[in-house]
Amino acid sequence: ELKVEQNPLFLSMQEGKNYTIYCNYSTTSDRLYWYRQDPGKSLESLFVLLSNGAVKQEGRLMASLDTKARLSTLHITAAVHDLSATYFCAAQGGAGGTSYGKLTFGQGTILTVHP
Amino acid sequence: ETGVTQTPRHLVMGMTNKKSLKCEQHLGHNAMYWYKQSAKKPLELMFVYNFKEQTENNSVPSRFSPECPNSSHLFLHLHTLQPEDSALYLCASSQGLERGSGNTIYFGEGSWLTVV
Repeated sequence: ELKVEQNPLFLSMQEGKNYTIYCNYSTTSDRLYWYRQDPGKSLESLFVLLSNGAVKQEGRLMASLDTKARLSTLHITAAVHDLSATYFCAAQGGAGGTSYGKLTFGQGTILTVHP
Repeated sequence: ETGVTQTPRHLVMGMTNKKSLKCEQHLGHNAMYWYKQSAKKPLELMFVYNFKEQTENNSVPSRFSPECPNSSHLFLHLHTLQPEDSALYLCASSQGLERGSGNTIYFGEGSWLTVV
């Protein structure tokens, strides 16, 4: 059974600082997603990582994937208040079969960026 | 606008009521999903449909009954729910379930359900 764990679960950052959110998953996964969720809103897709060594960047966020370590990271550079949200990683798939389309989510990291 | 529309956005129902949540996707996708988001718990997959056929029931109690009349529409019928079923119910869709189909899973805005 695929399990996904994020840490930290709560992150309070000062504006301008850098930090990393970690996402570990327990078994083989075909792809790794990062989502953002604002309070009362749905999930917004940030990144989809498909292969070992994949790195994607959008603005102040950069995501990477190490399939050998079963680890993905979301790095925040020079945080700004607008980045305050809950960030989820989710692993998809498994060893084929009908489970391929499933997403297993981490617990989420509540990020608060303050002045 | 994510291409996945859910109605109603908010629903309050009694434990003896019967209600339904509706989801419609405008993305031409073939797979649709129901997820449940409760306070203090990770998002949980409930059901998966692929080309209108249910491919996954993640041990969901029978008081939740999904229906997928076509690839664009997905319903979640609710009856005799419990207060602990209060949660955000998220519908999602993707191009398909097959490996390599270039999937990204897109979520709707969610339906906030309160059972009283």
